[in-house]
Amino acid sequence: GQSLEQPSEVTAVEGAIVQINCTYQTSGFYGLSWYQQHDGGAPTFLSYNALDGLEETGRFSSFLSRSDSYGYLLLQELQMKDSASYFCAVRNSGNTPLVFGKGTRLSVIA
Amino acid sequence: GAGVSQSPSNKVTEKGKDVELRCDPISGHTALYWYRQSLGQGLEFLIYFQGNSAPDKSGLPSDRFSAERTGGSVSTLTIQRTQQEDSAVYLCASSWKEAYGYTFGSGTRLTVV
Repeated sequence: GQSLEQPSEVTAVEGAIVQINCTYQTSGFYGLSWYQQHDGGAPTFLSYNALDGLEETGRFSSFLSRSDSYGYLLLQELQMKDSASYFCAVRNSGNTPLVFGKGTRLSVIA
Repeated sequence: GAGVSQSPSNKVTEKGKDVELRCDPISGHTALYWYRQSLGQGLEFLIYFQGNSAPDKSGLPSDRFSAERTGGSVSTLTIQRTQQEDSAVYLCASSWKEAYGYTFGSGTRLTVV
């Protein structure tokens, strides 16, 4: 089976940087994904890492270390609108569905 | 369509009744997924359709749950003899390539009373 661990809650100040960690255990590995979900909204895709290293998309970056079964999402220049839940997700192979972590609720405060 | 469309957006049903939830994926997306999310919880996988292959039903919680996908497009999730523990938001997603991620619909909020 698969399991993912991420912190349940994180609080950070507007304008600061925050890192949300994710560790996973899976029998196979086909990439680490991150999704954002605002309260009452649908999850939206943020990033996908298939290989080790850092992927940058604007204010958001995602990192993967396959040898450590670990990844993180880095949010820079935090804005109030970044307050949301963030989910990491993995899949065993290209023909299996994503398994999601329980999510990290990020609160951005002034 | 422009996005994944789900209907109804809200459904209140009496315990023991059957319900059907509909998902219309993005045109051209070959993969379709159903998940459910209880209040403040993560996403629980239910079922996965990929092209013309047999669906992956490994996440269905009981035989009261079933789903079909007609013509490789629209999907219907059916819950028979609903129970209060079935209350949740049912999310449908479609995808084309892993690197582009899943596109989720807005979900159907099911309340069993």
